Amino acid sequence: GAVVSQHPSWVICKSGTSVKIECRSLDFQATTMFWYRQFPKQSLMLMATSNEGSKATYEQGVEKDKFLINHASLTLSTLTVTSAHPEDSSFYICSAGGQGLGEQYFGPGTRLTVT
Amino acid sequence: DQQVKQNSPSLSVQEGRISILNCDYTNSMFDYFLWYKKYPAEGPTFLISISSIKDKNEDGRFTVFLNKSAKHLSLHIVPSQPGDSAVYFCAAPHEGNTGKLIFGQGTTLQVKP
Repeated sequence: GAVVSQHPSWVICKSGTSVKIECRSLDFQATTMFWYRQFPKQSLMLMATSNEGSKATYEQGVEKDKFLINHASLTLSTLTVTSAHPEDSSFYICSAGGQGLGEQYFGPGTRLTVT
Repeated sequence: DQQVKQNSPSLSVQEGRISILNCDYTNSMFDYFLWYKKYPAEGPTFLISISSIKDKNEDGRFTVFLNKSAKHLSLHIVPSQPGDSAVYFCAAPHEGNTGKLIFGQGTTLQVKP
């Protein structure tokens, strides 16, 4: 199957700083990527759809000025958590579309801890 | 409004036996359904899918059954292996062919040796 990578795999930052997470499709091009977050023992919650060459579309309740998404190429989308707070601590996962019945290929996730 | 629901948060089975994971949905317009497997601190991996026009899809030890009248699907794993221990999510596509997925809450499967 297709491979999606994320970097970093984990990051610890101080409150008020910004953190950038990269999502790359390694062996295919993705015009659309998706960003999810997962709290402990909860489901994956879709945050936004990253569209190559255009603005991201955010789900209801997600602050677009706080979670900046840039999809500058067909293989790279970035999520920047700006002015991070402890409540932003979570597991962030990206995905990109695959073949067949619309299955998504997910990155390994990034564990963000804000102190 | 939780359109995809997994009402059992956890399931424990003995190695070699059958594992049955259940999922219910509310939107009869879903075109297909997917099952994902997730280990801790990793992204989900695609397992198996089923089109809404079918009632069964089988891939090795994994079989998904779809009961449209009951708006219910289930994932059967047989025989279960300790390496199957993970969180299993069922998912369905958002309307509008956007590629977005709606996930259930997940069921943690533990297969005991």
